[in-house]
Amino acid sequence: GIQVEQSPPDLILQEGANSTLRCNFSDSVNNLQWFHQNPWGQLINLFYIPSGTKQNGRLSATTVATERYSLLYISSSQTTDSGVYFCAVEGQNQGGKLIFGQGTELSVKP
Amino acid sequence: DAEITQSPRHKITETGRQVTLACHQTWNHNNMFWYRQDLGHGLRLIHYSYGVQDTNKGEVSDGYSVSRSNTEDLPLTLESAASSQTSVYFCASSESTSGGQETQYFGPGTRLLVL
Repeated sequence: GIQVEQSPPDLILQEGANSTLRCNFSDSVNNLQWFHQNPWGQLINLFYIPSGTKQNGRLSATTVATERYSLLYISSSQTTDSGVYFCAVEGQNQGGKLIFGQGTELSVKP
Repeated sequence: DAEITQSPRHKITETGRQVTLACHQTWNHNNMFWYRQDLGHGLRLIHYSYGVQDTNKGEVSDGYSVSRSNTEDLPLTLESAASSQTSVYFCASSESTSGGQETQYFGPGTRLLVL
C-alpha cells in the first residue's frame, strides 16, 4: 500500500518563527489533507490539497503531485499552533480511505 | 451548522464486554469512516461505509463491526472488548462526487479504556 512519511517528527519553535513541515508519499494520490490535532485531541482540517498551493492566514500548503510531496508552511508561529500535524493521503481508486503519516509534533514556546 | 458528533466521549469497560460507540453526522454525507489512534501507529482505518446498508473492512477490522441503517449514523461495535482495543476512536465523514473524494471531517473522538 501507499506509504506516507512526515518530517521532522518533532519541532520546537520560538513564538514568531517560521517553519516548514514535509510529507512524502510513495504513489499517486487523489486526495491529500493536512490536519492539526490540538492538545485536546481534536483533529482540525487545515487543507484539502491534492495538488497546487493554498493559503489560509498564516498557514499555506503546496503539493507537487508529480514529485510526490507536500509542504505545510507556518509563518509567525503562535503558541496556539502547538500540537501534532498530520498529512493524510488517499491513493488512486481507494474510495476515500485515508492513509495517515506519523505526524509532526510541534511545540511553540512563548 | 452541520457537524459530526461521537458518544460517549470517554468510556471504561471490562474485558469481554460488548461496547458500542456512536457516530452521528448532519452533513448528509454518503461516506463514513472509523479510525483508531494509537501511539506509534498514527490513525488507522477500522471500517467504512459508502452509504446505507454498505459496510467494508479497513486495515484493522478484527474484533469490530459496523452497521449503516441510515445516512446519519455509523455505530462501531466491539463484540468482546480486549485490552488491545484501548485506544482513541475517531469517526469521519465525507461527500463523494463524480470527480472523486472530498474533504473528510472528523468527530471529537472517543477515549476507550478496556480493563
